[in-house]
Amino acid sequence: QKEVEQDPGPLSVPEGAIVSLNCTYSNSAFQYFMWYRQYSRKGPELLMYTYSSGNKEDGRFTAQVDKSSKYISLFIRDSQPSDSATYLCAMSRGNTDKLIFGTGTRLQVFP
Amino acid sequence: DAEITQSPRHKITETGRQVTLACHQTWNHNNMFWYRQDLGHGLRLIHYSYGVQDTNKGEVSDGYSVSRSNTEDLPLTLESAASSQTSVYFCASSERDGGGEQYFGPGTRLTVT
Repeated sequence: QKEVEQDPGPLSVPEGAIVSLNCTYSNSAFQYFMWYRQYSRKGPELLMYTYSSGNKEDGRFTAQVDKSSKYISLFIRDSQPSDSATYLCAMSRGNTDKLIFGTGTRLQVFP
Repeated sequence: DAEITQSPRHKITETGRQVTLACHQTWNHNNMFWYRQDLGHGLRLIHYSYGVQDTNKGEVSDGYSVSRSNTEDLPLTLESAASSQTSVYFCASSERDGGGEQYFGPGTRLTVT
């Protein structure tokens, strides 16, 4: 069993929809949680960063961490075609620890 | 602006040849990482460094080596390229005292024939 599980998708939604992307993990020692966005043939770009449990909001994006359920989510409101990309979750035990990545969920937002 | 660059962006080489992929960052980050990305496997860590003269093996280090002679560069060497090393390679860096978030380069697409 992988330490981090992520549904590969693809997830296809109409423009304006609310998108929910999720990851589950098995290691209760993870404390730092990140979401990366990767456009085709580009490097991953850091989108959201959260320490421990709780919510964090940045514009149309909200990251949630539920450590009791070992579950993290990324919500995208008012999705746009420009949000079409692969979204990777990542997490680590400490700020000097290696990041463990999910395999990514491919999202397509159609006009 | 500070950035992280990789070169070459595309490389085709033959089995058995030695190949070096360059990674250069201007953020003055202590930590640098090399990953490969393959369909179905996501990002897998090859090697990483927490500072000059420090190198460590990741989960898929066989057939690869790195050296860190300064803060800005972490070249990745494939000692004898194999077809199984055909992949997209990403370099990343992070601050020593940061929150662990890593910043990625644009990638190198390597094909071994």
